[in-house]
Amino acid sequence: DAGVIQSPRHEVTEMGQEVTLRCKPISGHDYLFWYRQTMMRGLELLIYFNNNVPIDDSGMPEDRFSAKMPNASFSTLKIQPSEPRDSAVYFCASSWTDQETQYFGPGTRLLVL
Amino acid sequence: KQEVTQIPAALSVPEGENLVLNCSFTDSAIYNLQWFRQDPGKGLTSLLLIQSSQREQTSGRLNASLDKSSGRSTLYIAASQPGDSATYLCAARGGVTSYDKVIFGPGTSLSVIP
Repeated sequence: DAGVIQSPRHEVTEMGQEVTLRCKPISGHDYLFWYRQTMMRGLELLIYFNNNVPIDDSGMPEDRFSAKMPNASFSTLKIQPSEPRDSAVYFCASSWTDQETQYFGPGTRLLVL
Repeated sequence: KQEVTQIPAALSVPEGENLVLNCSFTDSAIYNLQWFRQDPGKGLTSLLLIQSSQREQTSGRLNASLDKSSGRSTLYIAASQPGDSATYLCAARGGVTSYDKVIFGPGTSLSVIP
């Protein structure tokens, strides 16, 4: 398996623009997680899905953030409109069950100017 | 509210030395604790996961221990190598069914000098 795949790897955009981050989890994994990592706040869980259903989105910072998982092999994290403080590395991770280890993707480095 | 801290923030050791990384958490009611490695510009790689009922886990040169009563976990790396240079993060997961209590520590940046 190729592991968790994220795209794009780098994104530079201007404030106010819409940003869409994509994730393909490891095949067979029932759980998918979106994290954000910044120097100031470290690594934070934003939202997670179980069998394509959002379970907990309490970590989503604002209504500008939304996440979807239309099927077992694809998820998106959208920011609209984007702001400079959204600049961070966004990681996607997946796992078989909620008791198993999570496998992380390489991350998307987002810079909002 | 769970808080996870890691000491030291950075560590530099000569190759071959054994070392210990520390992780502390304020709420002992954790479900499990996990150690990750992060290389610069890369994602996280899981190293060891310790369930709350366990005291330690071992994988190769790595050994992680968990003491819930004292709110501490340690990661022991034996015979360190330059390839071990990375940032090591611990993550404490509280509760039973909710992942909203996964709290990561700030990490320890390790440099192993050849």
